[in-house]
Amino acid sequence: QQPVQSPQAVILREGEDAVINCSSSKALYSVHWYRQKHGEAPVFLMILLKGGEQKGHEKISASFNEKKQQSSLYLTASQLSYSGTYFCGTWATGGGNKLTFGTGTQLKVEL
Amino acid sequence: DAGITQSPRHKVTETGTPVTLRCHQTENHRYMYWYRQDPGHGLRLIHYSYGVKDTDKGEVSDGYSVSRSKTEDFLLTLESATSSQTSVYFCAITRSLYNSPLHFGNGTRLTVT
Repeated sequence: QQPVQSPQAVILREGEDAVINCSSSKALYSVHWYRQKHGEAPVFLMILLKGGEQKGHEKISASFNEKKQQSSLYLTASQLSYSGTYFCGTWATGGGNKLTFGTGTQLKVEL
Repeated sequence: DAGITQSPRHKVTETGTPVTLRCHQTENHRYMYWYRQDPGHGLRLIHYSYGVKDTDKGEVSDGYSVSRSKTEDFLLTLESATSSQTSVYFCAITRSLYNSPLHFGNGTRLTVT
């Protein structure tokens, strides 16, 4: 069962902030975040492990609420290079050796 | 960048023909995955491998089979291609479960006419 991402799409002006949410119905070991540019492979951004850690990657950070099985990706002071589709992936406890991806959030940053 | 290569990069085939996609890695990672990507569905898992000759089904495995006879190679076979299997296929590898990132190949764009 795929995690649910919201919003499905968002358009930002350069310098604006955005939040992308990911929610699972299963208990999780970890949440992954990836970004994919058009015509390219997904690229790893960060991993959030059980324990509610908040990780950072330049101006992109994320949080993981283990009790709610929810994660949020925060993009601050967005840049044109942030445009792409963002996917969360979840490792569920008892879910086997696999990462299950959400359907993605299309982010477009404009001047 | 992780050493992972998919071949072919593009393929057009006819309905009913068999097709094999290859994923080759040079990282000696234990875990390998095949995903397909379609608009509106994100990345969906077809099959995965957790060791040589050890494979398991993902959520969209019907019509696909896999084989892994060596650590470095993971093959995806469409026994009899259908138009619904037109998609972009990505292979991914990871060193360990849940706390290690997936590294993706560049993808194979398959069109079934």
